[in-house]
Amino acid sequence: QVQLVVSGGGVVRPGGSLRLSCAASGLDFNIYGIHWVRQAPGKGLEWVAMVRYDGTDKYFADPVQGRFTISRDSFKDTVYLQMNSLRTEDTAVYFCAKVKGPYGSGNYFDHWGQGTLVTVSS
Amino acid sequence: AIQLTQSPSSLSASVGDRVTITCRASQDITSALAWYQQIPGKTPKLLIYDASILESGVPPRFSGGGSGTDFALTISSLQPEDFATYYCQHFYSYPLTFGGGTKVEIK
Repeated sequence: QVQLVVSGGGVVRPGGSLRLSCAASGLDFNIYGIHWVRQAPGKGLEWVAMVRYDGTDKYFADPVQGRFTISRDSFKDTVYLQMNSLRTEDTAVYFCAKVKGPYGSGNYFDHWGQGTLVTVSS
Repeated sequence: AIQLTQSPSSLSASVGDRVTITCRASQDITSALAWYQQIPGKTPKLLIYDASILESGVPPRFSGGGSGTDFALTISSLQPEDFATYYCQHFYSYPLTFGGGTKVEIK
């Protein structure tokens, strides 16, 4: 079955960097877009970034634009979220999520990774 | 960015009650709306997409409706496993956004 495994979280100082990974299995990775969504402790869901199924388009939420980048490796069936210049307000559980439809047909999410906690603190 | 306003932010209800949660978009998003359920400590679960289409495996007591700017999620007869937080999400354009959430608690 479809599985998304998220890794790479941890504690980092303000201004630091982290790279999150989302490793997919049980699906044809190359036909689905992958998104990142975060949830600050006790708060709601916040969309962060996406990469199209073929890697040609990438979009970011305003709060992370210019600091985060996203990429995908079709050989490893993995999407990466590179987070630079981290701020305390980036503290959250980060989930990756797969879109339901192939080839960009509808950006809603039918499978989610388990999430990884990123804590930005001095 | 398109804002989604959910109401109420929380509600108390009893098993068997009919519950309706609303989601209002700051501009016309046609039917580009999804609903999720999140139980504490778990990942969100897709319930409804395209405003009214029930995701496979989701019980038919869940239903969605609306288009344009006003949407609703209805649970026809609340069950114990339905006590959770519910979020709407639009996918009309980037950036995607989620509503603030509605926490459904046991009365």
